[in-house]
Parts: sequence; C-alpha cells; structure tokens
Amino acid sequence: AQKITQTQPGMFVQEKEAVTLDCTYDTSDQSYGLFWYKQPSSGEMIFLIYQGSYDEQNATEGRYSLNFQKARKSANLVISASQLGDSAMYFCAMSDNTDKLIFGTGTRLQVFP
Amino acid sequence: DAGVTQSPTHLIKTRGQQVTLRCSPKSGHDTVSWYQQALGQGPQFIFQYYEEEERQRGNFPDRFSGHQFPNYSSELNVNALLLGDSALYLCASSWGWGGNTEAFFGQGTRLTVV
Repeated sequence: AQKITQTQPGMFVQEKEAVTLDCTYDTSDQSYGLFWYKQPSSGEMIFLIYQGSYDEQNATEGRYSLNFQKARKSANLVISASQLGDSAMYFCAMSDNTDKLIFGTGTRLQVFP
Repeated sequence: DAGVTQSPTHLIKTRGQQVTLRCSPKSGHDTVSWYQQALGQGPQFIFQYYEEEERQRGNFPDRFSGHQFPNYSSELNVNALLLGDSALYLCASSWGWGGNTEAFFGQGTRLTVV
C-alpha cells in the first residue's frame, strides 16, 4: 500500500531564509507522482509543485523546489526566501496512475519576521 | 476562469440526518474526487467520478455515496450522519483518467455534526 510520511509536525523559519520540509513515501509502483500542497487557514488546498517518478531533474516552481531522491524514497520541499504569507500547513501527497491522492499528515510552517 | 467551487461552505447537521454537498469542477476538467479531512489530519480519499461513474473508492462505508452529472459537477451524499463525520470535505477536479495530473481543490465544505 502507498504511504506518505511527514515527520515534522511544525517548523519555524525566519523571513527571507530557506526551509526544507521533509517527506518520505512508500510504494511498489514504478510510475507515480509526488505533489506538494499548501493549505492556509481558509481550507483550500493550493498546488505548489509536482514531480513524476521518471523525471530525472528536480522540479522547480518559482521559490519552490522539490528535492527528489528516488533511491531514498524522499521528496522534500525546499522553500527559498520565505515570506510571512508562506505560513500555512503543507502536505506532501502521491498518486498512482489513477489520480487518487494519498496525503501525509502535514507540516505546519510558521514564518516569523 | 472559475476554479473549483463547493457549496455550502459551512453546514451544521444533527446525528442521523442526511447531507448533500456540491462541487463544480474547474472549467475543462472532467474528473472529480472527494476527500474528507478530519481536524489535524491529511485529506483521506473518499471516491472519484469520471464519465458519470464511480471509478475508485477509498475505505469509506456505503453511507457515503456520490453522483456526477453530464456537466461534470458532482454531489457527495452522506446518510445517517455520525459525530465522526464532522470534517472538512474537499472536492478536487482534474482532466482525464489514469495519469499523474494536477488536481485543483475547492475551498471545502466544513460539516459539523451535533
């Protein structure tokens, strides 16, 4: 069965600094996708970044990058130059070839001035 | 371009009652998935609709049922509500079936069962 593990319940980072949010996954599938979503207090899940299992290069989207280490089954999110508006819950998720998403328990990120 | 819209945003129901939640997918999307997010947890997959049929189902009882209409909008129905059904219900839409496509989420319906 597929599983996502996020071991950091909460993280603090100072504004303008970089932060890494950890994510490990478990699957026996060869083809899968890895996602990161941001969930502010309003509840909406906001897509941040996607990495396919066959992508050799790490995905980047603006200030977000995904550090994909396939052999270690990790997909850490790196946020560079943190902003106060980055304070939110962050969820790592994976999908198989059916688009169903399996989520981790999330990490609450707090950015302080 | 409207994103995924859900209604209502908040709902309070009594144990034993039935509830219907609604979702309109993002324009151009034909697949709708529903998730339940209990407080302090990650979302859990309920089921997914494509071409008006339930394509996949998570580990949820038959009290949870759904429907997809020809315009791709969807409803989630929950019968015989329990206190444990209190959660944020999220709808996600995507295009197509069988690929690792990006899912767009709505703002959710917060259901409280008393």
